[in-house]
Amino acid sequence: GAVVSQHPSRVICKSGTSVKIECRSLDFQATTMFWYRQFPKQSLMLMATSNEGSKATYEQGVEKDKFLINHASLTLSTLTVTSAHPEDSSFYICSARDRGNNQPQHFGDGTRLSIL
Amino acid sequence: GNSVTQMEGPVTLSEEAFLTINCTYTATGYPSLFWYVQYPGEGLQLLLKATKADDKGSNKGFEATYRKETTSFHLEKGSVQVSDSAVYFCALSATLAGGTSYGKLTFGQGTILTVHP
Repeated sequence: GAVVSQHPSRVICKSGTSVKIECRSLDFQATTMFWYRQFPKQSLMLMATSNEGSKATYEQGVEKDKFLINHASLTLSTLTVTSAHPEDSSFYICSARDRGNNQPQHFGDGTRLSIL
Repeated sequence: GNSVTQMEGPVTLSEEAFLTINCTYTATGYPSLFWYVQYPGEGLQLLLKATKADDKGSNKGFEATYRKETTSFHLEKGSVQVSDSAVYFCALSATLAGGTSYGKLTFGQGTILTVHP
């Protein structure tokens, strides 16, 4: 089945640091990737939709200058949390979608970000 | 707008018990419906899907039938195992008439399932 690799799985860093998370589709080309944030014991909140070769579309309330998204190729999207603060600590999950209609999203294993 | 409502959890069952997790939805267009499972500390895995009315998705003993008349997609399994303990998410992806898919998923709140030996 389709595999999405997300790296790193866990990051612990100091306040003010910028953190980059990578999302790769390993065996298919993903024109669209999605970035989610999940708070403990809650559902996933869509942050942005990343389209290859174009600017990401951010959901209402998500700061695009805080959460930089780059989708430079059909197999790689990156999320950079700039100048991270403790309130940015969360579980971040990416997903990638096969081409074509009604194709499911395949999810990475998530990144646990802890800002001290 | 689109929304997904799942039954309140957590759900606690004994091994080999029958499982039902209810899911209802509201959507414009012709949604595709999904069940995802999340094990502790991991991302989501697609469990099953259905893309049109009356379709039945099935995988690993789990089943769900797309019921347009009741706007439901309830998850069932005849005999659960301890290894089924996880969080289950119902989700929809709205599709316009003509087959164009938005791609964006709308998730339910998740249902925690714990299965005891």
